[in-house]
Amino acid sequence: GAGVSQSPRYKVAKRGQDVALRCDPISGHVSLFWYQQALGQGPEFLTYFQNEAQLDKSGLPSDRFFAERPEGSVSTLKIQRTQQEDSAVYLCASSLVRFGQFFGPGTRLTVL
Amino acid sequence: GQQVMQIPQYQHVQEGEDFTTYCNSSTTLSNIQWYKQRPGGHPVFLIQLVKSGEVKKQKRLTFQFGEAKKNSSLHITATQTTDVGTYFCAGLSAGGTSYGKLTFGQGTILTVHP
Repeated sequence: GAGVSQSPRYKVAKRGQDVALRCDPISGHVSLFWYQQALGQGPEFLTYFQNEAQLDKSGLPSDRFFAERPEGSVSTLKIQRTQQEDSAVYLCASSLVRFGQFFGPGTRLTVL
Repeated sequence: GQQVMQIPQYQHVQEGEDFTTYCNSSTTLSNIQWYKQRPGGHPVFLIQLVKSGEVKKQKRLTFQFGEAKKNSSLHITATQTTDVGTYFCAGLSAGGTSYGKLTFGQGTILTVHP
């Protein structure tokens, strides 16, 4: 595809539900990143993959957050037992190694 | 941990005026990137600076990286209404083991009055 795509674009979950957010990076981009963006703030780093290897997951806020990229392409961010503080826009980005990142449109998660 | 501060938080200008946003890191950076996010949109990559003292231009936009690689600035000459948005700097810490962990500043929100 022409750019990074994410699905769903909007997700409403009841507190305690599990959610899965999908990211399709730009073809050929080995690096993939997940960020959390609260309203009025800059993106906050969650995790980083190079191909299928998760090289840095230091930004994941708790063990309820899990990300995978099993074949080095599509990635899924899973949040278990969602809490209201998980409400945010979740951004995925991809890049060639050590180059600028190309962001997807994001998934807006609202936890009721 | 690494912190990246941006000032000002907001800037309102008349069309045609210049605009500058400043970025300061608590640690030395390997490189710094700049992004623009339009209202309701996602961050869009503008540029990456790598060398100490580097200056790059993109039409009306001038980007600078400080000599100590701890600060950076973005200057827009003669703003236009299309420049409206939030400008973020994002730094990659030098000497870190993660080549991907960008730390974003909180952004400068630019509004341009026609």
